[in-house]
Amino acid sequence: QLQLQESGPGLVKPSETLSLTCTVSGGSISSSTYYWGWIRQPPGKGLEWIGSVFHTGRTHYNPSRKSRVTISVDTSKKQFSLKVRSVTAADTAVYYCARISSGTYFEMIDYWGQGTLVTVSS
Amino acid sequence: DIQMTQSPSSLSASVGDRVTITCRASQSINTYLNWYQQKPGKAPKLLIYAASSLQSGVPSRFSGSGSGTDFTLTISSLQPEDFATYYCQQSHSDPTFGQGTRLEIK
Repeated sequence: QLQLQESGPGLVKPSETLSLTCTVSGGSISSSTYYWGWIRQPPGKGLEWIGSVFHTGRTHYNPSRKSRVTISVDTSKKQFSLKVRSVTAADTAVYYCARISSGTYFEMIDYWGQGTLVTVSS
Repeated sequence: DIQMTQSPSSLSASVGDRVTITCRASQSINTYLNWYQQKPGKAPKLLIYAASSLQSGVPSRFSGSGSGTDFTLTISSLQPEDFATYYCQQSHSDPTFGQGTRLEIK
């Protein structure tokens, strides 16, 4: 059974960089059928896609977040990572890592990590 | 960005009721539409993909329909474990989610 687990600091100071890592277990990170993404959810609010990465390192970002976000992958460790620079209180959210399955007529988020709350505060 | 609008934002229903949630896209997304269920403190769970395909392990009381810009999620007979928040998500272009529909017990 595929499992994804987020890790990283739960508290980040304003203007600093938020860094999270997702570790994949129980399956391959290098399949061409899947790619890997980050989604966030501010407290009490809805879901926002941040961006994604393929096992080759090719990335795709939400245009509204692109200037501050970097997503990378380390296939040898079966991990992918998220960095958000110059954070503000508006970046406070539960951050989920996820697997996206892609086919000819569909693309779906079929596995999610449990989520990790990151609070931006001094 | 493709905007996704769900209605209603919340609804109250009873166990055994038939419930329908709608989702409208700001432009045609063919059938690139997924539905998720989220319970408090938990990650979302995929219910329906490609507008009408039931994800493995999801009870058959859940069904989805639609194409183009208008979609529906139907729960044929509500069970106690179905009270949650439901989100639609388009995967035609950069993924975007609806604002959510909170399903509460009447």
